[in-house]
Order: sequence, then structure tokens, then C-alpha cells
Amino acid sequence: EIVLTQSPGTLSLSPGEGATLSCRASQSVSGNYLAWYQQKPGQAPRLLIYGASNRATGIPDRFSGSGSGTDFTLTISRLEPEDFAVYYCQHYDTTRPFGQGTKVEIK
Amino acid sequence: QVQLVQSGAEVKKPGASVKVSCQASGYTFTDYYVHWVRQAPGQGLEWMGWLNPNNGDRKNAQKFQGRVTLTRDTSISTAYMELSMLKSDDTAVYFCARGSGTSASFNRPHDYWGQGTLVTVSS
Repeated sequence: EIVLTQSPGTLSLSPGEGATLSCRASQSVSGNYLAWYQQKPGQAPRLLIYGASNRATGIPDRFSGSGSGTDFTLTISRLEPEDFAVYYCQHYDTTRPFGQGTKVEIK
Repeated sequence: QVQLVQSGAEVKKPGASVKVSCQASGYTFTDYYVHWVRQAPGQGLEWMGWLNPNNGDRKNAQKFQGRVTLTRDTSISTAYMELSMLKSDDTAVYFCARGSGTSASFNRPHDYWGQGTLVTVSS
């Protein structure tokens, strides 16, 4: 089974700065079936990116995803106050493991 | 609009079972897989398994084999997750989430989520 490792564990940034989050898979991700979710405290996760690079409906274009094979990246071009949250990657196949998450906090 | 509404919080003793429901509305229940994901306090997301509401097929994550039962009642558009032999580290928020269409490619992420159900296991 694929294991997803996210880094860093925590990113401390200021509003307006850019953020780069990494998700590395233990083996190649079939079909680029890699999604990114955002989760805020007390809320369910929200789908941001699917197919490694496709924005979900209603997601602002400051969010972008890239990568293939075993290395994937979520980039937030300019952090807005509402972007401070925890971000998870997930491989969505017959089994659907998540990474352990990256917390983006206000510096 | 698509909604997944889950049952309320539960408190259970170790060794007991819990059954969480997830009622779908705004779409045809049997047209989309339902997945279950849990999150222990302060921890990350953990995928538990999926159910095909159309034919009842299911798959659990290996970690939960033998302890998780996924079922559905199509007459009320509701999916259920039953977890048995509860332990203290099963204390978590349990989410249901919609997956791909049952007659389409399986490989689609979770676009809609329930609000979560807190299950507390304590003696």
C-alpha cells in the first residue's frame, strides 16, 4: 500500500506570502490520482485539487497543484487569512491513504 | 444541493460497538460510492473503507478488517458504519464522504463530506 509523506509538518508564514507544500509517495501514484484537501478546525475537509493539478469547483486560482509519479506539490501563491489551515494529500484508488498533513500557521 | 447528514455524538464503553449513519440528499444515493474517514483528536485523516450503495459491495482498509461493517438502506438514502470491539484509541470524529459515481471511473476524490460524528470510547 502507498504511504504518503507530507513536508514540512508546519509552515509559519505571513499573509501575502507564498506557500509550498510537498507530498511524497512511497511508490508511483497510478493515474496521478492525487488530491489535496484543506481542513479548518471543527470542519470537514474541503477538496482543493484532484488529478494532481486540477482545481475543484470554486477553488481560487491562487491554489495550484503539480507533480507526478512520487512527488507532488501544492502551491498557494499569496496567502489570504482564510488559507491558514491544515492541508492533506490523498491517493484515491481502491484504497485511499492520506498524508499526515501540513499545518500552515500565521507567523 | 448535495448534503450528507450524519447522526449525533456517541459515548461508548470499551468492547462495545457503535453504528454511525450518513443520510444523503440532493442526489441519487445509489449513484455514488460512500467512503468513511476518521480523525482522532489532534491527529490526521484516516481512510476506513468504501461502500457501493447500488449493490452493497464494500472494501475496508486492512487495519479495520473484521471490525468495520459498512451497510446501507437505500429506501432512506442512508449509509451506515458500524465499528465493533471499541478501544480507547477509536475515539475520533468519523466522517462519511461521497466518492465517484457507481457507473463511472472509481478514481474520483471526495467532493462532499458529512459534518462528522464524534465517537468517544471511555470506561
